[in-house]
Amino acid sequence: DTAVSQTPKYLVTQMGNDKSIKCEQNLGHDTMYWYKQDSKKFLKIMFSYNNKELIINETVPNRFSPKSPDKAHLNLHINSLELGDSAVYFCASSQDGGRYNEQFFGPGTRLTVL
Amino acid sequence: AQKVTQAQTEISVVEKEDVTLDCVYETRDTTYYLFWYKQPPSGELVFLIRRNSFDEQNEISGRYSWNFQKSTSSFNFTITASQVVDSAVYFCALTVYGGSQGNLIFGKGTKLSVKP
Repeated sequence: DTAVSQTPKYLVTQMGNDKSIKCEQNLGHDTMYWYKQDSKKFLKIMFSYNNKELIINETVPNRFSPKSPDKAHLNLHINSLELGDSAVYFCASSQDGGRYNEQFFGPGTRLTVL
Repeated sequence: AQKVTQAQTEISVVEKEDVTLDCVYETRDTTYYLFWYKQPPSGELVFLIRRNSFDEQNEISGRYSWNFQKSTSSFNFTITASQVVDSAVYFCALTVYGGSQGNLIFGKGTKLSVKP
């Protein structure tokens, strides 16, 4: 059984479009995250979210917004896509806020903006 | 502020060689957690180990071992008798107990290539 899943795996789109990436975890974890991995493989946190608090990395443009319909899902919406948004986006989840438990990552979504 | 430095960008070894991946971290917090993740060419991120700041015991898991030294703020990772399947990018990461929901702060990764 897949622990953390993301759809789609690949996403190719034009500049200016709006797109969403879905993430689901079946681990019963209380916290979910979105990370961005750029072309140089650098991983950086974008958001973390549990049922009480959304933490936004201040460097993330407000064109990016997480939406959580329930505890098991944290989707990522991106408006007005730009070339620089091309990257691999990873969803992750953990228990107890992730402070001392490992985070489990999804397979990643490779976003290409043309 | 927290920071993780992996000074080795790329390492290339021949199979069966031992290799050590360096990780140096910075934090003012007294309670923190260190992690290593592996990213093989297929792209997924695989958890390898977690270590808390109060546990300086070294750990060995098969061919993998980790050396945590608070005095030098280092958490190095050694692969003994490397194999081609060990080829991957390895990330060291840090989270602090008092921080925002345990967001992982990653180093820039070390790309390990193991040649047959």
